[in-house]
Amino acid sequence: AQKVTQAQTEISVVEKEDVTLDCVYETRDTTYYLFWYKQPPSGELVFLIRRNSFDEQNEISGRYSWNFQKSTSSFNFTITASQVVDSAVYFCALSEFNTGFQKLVFGTGTRLLVSP
Amino acid sequence: DAEITQSPRHKITETGRQVTLACHQTWNHNNMFWYRQDLGHGLRLIHYSYGVHDTNKGEVSDGYSVSRSNTEDLPLTLESAASSQTSVYFCASSERVGTVHEAFFGQGTRLTVV
Repeated sequence: AQKVTQAQTEISVVEKEDVTLDCVYETRDTTYYLFWYKQPPSGELVFLIRRNSFDEQNEISGRYSWNFQKSTSSFNFTITASQVVDSAVYFCALSEFNTGFQKLVFGTGTRLLVSP
Repeated sequence: DAEITQSPRHKITETGRQVTLACHQTWNHNNMFWYRQDLGHGLRLIHYSYGVHDTNKGEVSDGYSVSRSNTEDLPLTLESAASSQTSVYFCASSERVGTVHEAFFGQGTRLTVV
């Protein structure tokens, strides 16, 4: 069965520190998508990135980077030089071929607190 | 601009009452979903629909029902509200973009059952 594990419940850092949020997934499908969403204090869910199972290239977008490793079933998210505005709950999610990629399975989320 | 809206944004209700949370999307998406968000559980799927008159149970469907009479709306009904249903509820819609479905989420409804 599909499963997404975010073992870090809460992380606290000081501004300008780098921080990595871990995501480990389980799936029997060979074709799947992985996602990261951000939930700021205002509560909405903000899409950050999508990665398919055939694309293991790391992705960098400004201060954000993602490391996808199929060998360890991990899709980790790093924020470089964190800022207070990065404080949020971050969710990793998975969608599989056997559901037509239509359903998302979420991890339990990691709360990131960035203090000045 | 197309959007997905939930109403109300906040609601307090009493145990045993019937409650309906509204979800309306103007994307014209076939797929719509209801999730609940609880600390320590992330977002869990309650019900989903792949089109008009289609409804399916998710992993935490007990005590909830949905109906889909048109493309735009998927109301979520709590038949007899329980304190365990105090949660934040998110509606989402999605449509196929290439091979993947792009999901769009509403702003959430915070429901408190007292």
